[in-house]
Amino acid sequence: VQLVESGGGLVQPGGSLRLSCAASGFTFSTYWMTWVRQAPGKGLEWVANIKQDGSEIHYVDSVKGRFTISRDNAKKSLYLQMHSLRAQDTAVYYCAREAAGIDYWGQGTLVTVSS
Amino acid sequence: DIQMTQSPSTLSASVGDRVTITCRASQSVSRWLAWYQQKPGKAPKLLIYGASTLESAVPSRFSGSRSGTEFTLTISSLQPDDFATYYCQQYNSYSRTFGQGTKLEIK
Repeated sequence: VQLVESGGGLVQPGGSLRLSCAASGFTFSTYWMTWVRQAPGKGLEWVANIKQDGSEIHYVDSVKGRFTISRDNAKKSLYLQMHSLRAQDTAVYYCAREAAGIDYWGQGTLVTVSS
Repeated sequence: DIQMTQSPSTLSASVGDRVTITCRASQSVSRWLAWYQQKPGKAPKLLIYGASTLESAVPSRFSGSRSGTEFTLTISSLQPDDFATYYCQQYNSYSRTFGQGTKLEIK
């Protein structure tokens, strides 16, 4: 199993960014997938998750209306579109697979929101 | 949303010690509770799921238990590799939540 995130970087407050996660080594279309973030020196925060077929999606309150999680099962890819970014969104963003708990994690991609 | 309260936030212990970390849920999560270990600069690693089931390849010195809405992670005899930060997470609700973390330090 491998999860590889990309798309992180430096963005100004109010800007947008799209994170991608390429999955391999398992049948992507049969798992819930999730994004978890970790601000510098802080704990883990669950951000969003999406059902196998994309028909059910959940977000943490702090990103509702600004972030959109999606997936493309044909491409074995997970996405996180982020708009109206704030300094408080600065974090390492992890793509992860949900089974009983979260059993596989990517290496993370750093998003820095700063002027 | 379900709140997870983890304690202590920091724990100092020595190699060979038995340590316990506690996580309390604000409402029932049944047994849908996982524990993770994280080392600096690395992704978390799943240790226990279903409150007490050890993930494959995790040493047997790690164990988990549940009493109602209170969950515990116990390390029976600390090894040097165990000094890290530990998190609990509930997955009873589709809106998942983590505890604040417990940093296990060398005394």
